[in-house]
Amino acid sequence: RKEVEQDPGPFNVPEGATVAFNCTYSNSASQSFFWYRQDCRKEPKLLMSVYSSGNEDGRFTAQLNRASQYISLLIRDSKLSDSATYLCVVNKGTYKYIFGTGTRLKVLA
Amino acid sequence: NAGVTQTPKFQVLKTGQSMTLQCAQDMNHNSMYWYRQDPGMGLRLIYYSASEGTTDKGEVPNGYNVSRLNKREFSLRLESAAPSQTSVYFCASSPPGTGRQETQYFGPGTRLLVL
Repeated sequence: RKEVEQDPGPFNVPEGATVAFNCTYSNSASQSFFWYRQDCRKEPKLLMSVYSSGNEDGRFTAQLNRASQYISLLIRDSKLSDSATYLCVVNKGTYKYIFGTGTRLKVLA
Repeated sequence: NAGVTQTPKFQVLKTGQSMTLQCAQDMNHNSMYWYRQDPGMGLRLIYYSASEGTTDKGEVPNGYNVSRLNKREFSLRLESAAPSQTSVYFCASSPPGTGRQETQYFGPGTRLLVL
């Protein structure tokens, strides 16, 4: 089993739709969780950290479920510019982060 | 403010050749990392440097060496390139902290093809 698993997609959604991605992790001792965004042939960039109580940043909401060992990302009112690959990242230990393979999102006009 | 820069952007090597990938950051970050990204796999950590003067192995260090030249620069060396090292290489840095929750800032990547 991979340490961090994501549905590769693609998720094809119309503009204005709401879409959600999940990411499961295997190490119950993990303490830090992140969502990064990666555009085609570009570097990953932090989208948001995921806090225990859940957190929101504009149209983006991240949730953590420690009991079931997954994190989620909800995007409301999808824009064309949201088309990208979303990487789930879990801290494994000091200076060690495990990246998921990413979920590809395509927002269609 | 350039952030994290990497050179070269693209390189073609023949099997057995050596090369050094350069990375520099101007954000006064303590920690720096080298990752590789292959299709169907997440970014995998090759080596990291928690602070100037220290380096440690990551998940896939075989075939690579690193040098933390100073606080700004962290280079990755392939002594004898193999086709299995064909990949996109990303350098990253992060600000001071515990090493467990800091944002990583990535460079634009180096695309390496080994024939």
